[in-house]
This record gives sequence, C-alpha cells and structure tokens, in this order.
Amino acid sequence: DAGVIQSPRHEVTEMGQEVTLRCKPISGHNSLFWYRQTMMRGLELLIYFNNNVPIDDSGMPEDRFSAKMPNASFSTLKIQPSEPRDSAVYFCASSSRRRGSSNQPQHFGDGTRLSIL
Amino acid sequence: SQQGEEDPQALSIQEGENATMNCSYKTSINNLQWYRQNSGRGLVHLILIRSNEREKHSGRLRVTLDTSKKSSSLLITASRAADTASYFCASGTYKYIFGTGTRLKVLA
Repeated sequence: DAGVIQSPRHEVTEMGQEVTLRCKPISGHNSLFWYRQTMMRGLELLIYFNNNVPIDDSGMPEDRFSAKMPNASFSTLKIQPSEPRDSAVYFCASSSRRRGSSNQPQHFGDGTRLSIL
Repeated sequence: SQQGEEDPQALSIQEGENATMNCSYKTSINNLQWYRQNSGRGLVHLILIRSNEREKHSGRLRVTLDTSKKSSSLLITASRAADTASYFCASGTYKYIFGTGTRLKVLA
C-alpha cells in the first residue's frame, strides 16, 4: 500500500504566482480531505470530497483557493494568486467512508510545505 | 469553532514514565480519534473510540471517553523516545475537527 501521495513536498514561489498542489489518495478510498496546518491556527479542514464530489468547502479561505477531484485517484488544490499568508503545510488525507458513517480513520500524506515570498 | 482542545500543550517526561494527554470537545460526536504526528510528517491514526464506549486499549495506548464532560484522555504507558511527537484528538460526524495538539517529548 503506497499510502497517500502528495506532490511537491516543498514549494517556494513568489507572491502572485499560481500554486498547484497534488494528491493521490489510497486506492479504494472514497473520501478525500485537504487540510492546512500552521503554528497559529493548527490543522484546518479546507475542503472535503466524497465520491469525487465536493461536499463541504466552508473551510476554503477565499476565492483564491480552489480544489478539484476529476477522478477517484487524483485531486488538486490551487491557489491563484498566492500571498505570503498562504505559507503553511498543506495535507491531503483519504478515508473509506460509508454513507452516513464517520467511523473510518483518515490516512494522511506527508504534506506540501508551501512558502510564498 | 474548534472541536477539540488538547491539554497540556507540551509535555516532557523521562523514558519509561507514563504520559497522559487530555482532549475536550464542544458538540455531540459519533466517535473520537487520536492521531500522532512526527516532525515533518503527516498525521497517523492511533485509535478510535466510539461514543458508546468508555475505554479502549491498543498496545501501550489507553483511551477513555466521557461524553457527559465532552472529554477524552490518551495514556501512553512505559513511554519510549520514539513516542516523541505531537498528539491530536479529532472528532465530528462526516468531517473531523482536529484539536491544537500536545507536543510530547520523551527524554532518553
């Protein structure tokens, strides 16, 4: 089992540039989560997909953030334009969730450390 | 609003001692989960306790849940240097809210 795979592991870019983070969930998992972790705010849920459909994007900070899941094996989180305050570690997690159930653990990737200069 | 708040924020103990971390949450839950995060890595699931359970064991881990107080505790017995990490509780329904974490340092 390869686990959740995120790329890139590190990204350094200048303010105003577009940033795309990628995630490959564990095969067979039908739920995917994007989180952001900072020292000040801890781990924040940005968006949650179930069966490739966005269910809850209430955590997406603003319109500069967008996420897609075109198929069961791939998701992207895009920031355009990026700002220094977007600097954080972004995690993707997946789980196998039955409808109406939250009793499945989430499996996390190792994150993308994003620095916006 | 944050669902889980861990206490203490940081804990430093000697190898072989027990470590206890507490978590409080704000709303009704289906279950509560504990995760560990090593530096520079993603979170790893440790144990899940359902809302109708009061205590659960897994190896050196013991988790308790008190739904009347909306609190949970994680006990790591006979700690090892490799247990040094941050520990988070997570609770919710279809989505999980993670607490602020307890940073545990086990000194050899």
